Amino acid sequence: GQQLNQSPQSMFIQEGEDVSMNCTSSSIFNTWLWYKQDPGEGPVLLIALYKAGELTSNGRLTAQFGITRKDSFLNISASIPSDVGIYFCAGMNTGFQKLVFGTGTRLLVSP
Amino acid sequence: SAVISQKPSRDICQRGTSLTIQCQVDSQVTMMFWYRQQPGQSLTLIATANQGSEATYESGFVIDKFPISRPNLTFSTLTVSNMSPEDSSIYLCSVEGLLNYGYTFGSGTRLTVV
Repeated sequence: GQQLNQSPQSMFIQEGEDVSMNCTSSSIFNTWLWYKQDPGEGPVLLIALYKAGELTSNGRLTAQFGITRKDSFLNISASIPSDVGIYFCAGMNTGFQKLVFGTGTRLLVSP
Repeated sequence: SAVISQKPSRDICQRGTSLTIQCQVDSQVTMMFWYRQQPGQSLTLIATANQGSEATYESGFVIDKFPISRPNLTFSTLTVSNMSPEDSSIYLCSVEGLLNYGYTFGSGTRLTVV
């Protein structure tokens, strides 16, 4: 089935560093969501984006909805050890109400 | 956002048997979704469950293998039938969040088939 491509696939950074990851699609979405999944847990919603060009922050997290509606990025500033996990983007089109998930970015943070 | 309780949290099952996974939501929701997450992979939608109608399955998933019940607006079950080791995955239920604010997921059921 359809899947969104995320890059990088994994990242290993030092605590305090900033992180950037992105998500691209061959088709248009009118909603982009970013989730974080901890081991043994379901994904938890971090940020939702509803408008092309929208830039939204949630604490140390910032995400943008690409102008073309085919991409999105997520930035994490001043990373901390609890940022460790897998980050997934997800796209959705209103009316279909189905999420298409990205391939995931695994983040490791060294104290 | 809605609170989802999923049971069991994990199970180890013999091949050829079936397992029913329960998903309970603390509020009434129109649509519930079931996902599969194979080891080290992303999430793939299995089916959408509406109360009062048959579930809608995605390509590659069939009702005989993954029967779903949706008896009311707060509860759904997914059965994994005639299991094989390839069915070892995490199965997650999900519901739409309030005011269209994304989707909420349960903590998942980690299934191992031996």
